Amino acid sequence: AQKVTQAQTEISVVEKEDVTLDCVYETRDTTYYLFWYKQPPSGELVFLIRRNSFDEQNEISGRYSWNFQKSTSSFNFTITASQVVDSAVYFCALGSARQLTFGSGTQLTVLP
Amino acid sequence: NAGVTQTPKFRVLKTGQSMTLLCAQDMNHEYMYWYRQDPGMGLRLIHYSVGEGTTAKGEVPDGYNVSRLKKQNFLLGLESAAPSQTSVYFCASSYSGPGAVAEAFFGQGTRLTVV
Repeated sequence: AQKVTQAQTEISVVEKEDVTLDCVYETRDTTYYLFWYKQPPSGELVFLIRRNSFDEQNEISGRYSWNFQKSTSSFNFTITASQVVDSAVYFCALGSARQLTFGSGTQLTVLP
Repeated sequence: NAGVTQTPKFRVLKTGQSMTLLCAQDMNHEYMYWYRQDPGMGLRLIHYSVGEGTTAKGEVPDGYNVSRLKKQNFLLGLESAAPSQTSVYFCASSYSGPGAVAEAFFGQGTRLTVV
């Protein structure tokens, strides 16, 4: 069975602070994919990033960056210079051949 | 493009009533999914389909049935609703694998309350 753990249930930061959302996963598969989704207050799920298990390069997209470390089974997400519009629930997910498993999500609140 | 469309967006049911949630996608995706989202539990897979005419059980299938008569549509049925089925339901589609080699595209969700 595979599992995704997002230990941070809620995080609150002040605008312009950096914030890191943690994601730890468990799987027996050697080939798998990791995802981050954003769920703003409007409720829809917005795809942010996909990484495969063979690519441990960190990725940066604007204020967003992702740190994939296979040795610790982690795929952490950092928002630099956070903004109020970043307030949302963020889900980490693990995809293998048969299923896509989500973590329980982290509620991020960015205060003005 | 509309992407993934779910109807209805909101519904209140009485215990024991039945209903069907409709999901439609216009991206020609083979794979479609139904998830439920409950507080503190993330999204859990109810059923999925790997192509027209095929369906399979996910993590929490009990109390639900599905059908995929047309490639673009995936229906989720509740035969006898229970309060435990109060949840937000999301439909998703992707062009490959339940494990989502490609990302899944989600509908806007259906908020269902069973009283």
